[in-house]
Amino acid sequence: DADVTQTPRNRITKTGKRIMLECSQTKGHDRMYWYRQDPGLGLRLIYYSFDVKDINKGEISDGYSVSRQAQAKFSLSLESAIPNQTALYFCATSDYGTANTGELFFGEGSRLTVL
Amino acid sequence: GDSVTQMEGPVTLSEEAFLTINCTYTATGYPSLFWYVQYPGEGLQLLLKATKADDKGSNKGFEATYRKETTSFHLEKGSVQVSDSAVYFCALILNAGNNRKLIWGLGTSLAVNP
Repeated sequence: DADVTQTPRNRITKTGKRIMLECSQTKGHDRMYWYRQDPGLGLRLIYYSFDVKDINKGEISDGYSVSRQAQAKFSLSLESAIPNQTALYFCATSDYGTANTGELFFGEGSRLTVL
Repeated sequence: GDSVTQMEGPVTLSEEAFLTINCTYTATGYPSLFWYVQYPGEGLQLLLKATKADDKGSNKGFEATYRKETTSFHLEKGSVQVSDSAVYFCALILNAGNNRKLIWGLGTSLAVNP
């Protein structure tokens, strides 16, 4: 089984619907991240969390919210999805040591299409 | 501000060709530098890294040397294989301050034909 698991892997939805993407990890890491990948735009950080009680906005947090339900679980919500949120979403983890050395561990991605 | 610039893709090569993917950076202070690779349908994974000037990172036949004088970290491989087809991301992290986050390049797609 993967160390960082994202569900769903693929989702097609309609404008205005609420969507939740879930991430769970078995690496025991305290830090978790949500990124968005778009062609030609690389990776952009949406939110990150350094522990259960610490949530921080990234560079493109508008239109998104997150919940850190436990150390191992970090979910991303789109309260009212819009077409320009169509993208590939990645969850990643690190601990204090690997974060400071720049190594993140990524899930396999969740492809979201908003019609 | 701090940034990473990679050569645009896609890059298309024949098997056994030499690969170079250029990466330059702008940073205040002294960053650590990374190459991540994303194989089709997968998440990113760390390929190699270098933490100080003149360090060479290497893995799976890939190499990159941290050149402070040219602010570069170009990725090279002497003989690519079809299995190297992927998207390659250059990134940096500053070696000072709290809450350090990776700064990413836009990625370079590589396709290797048999």
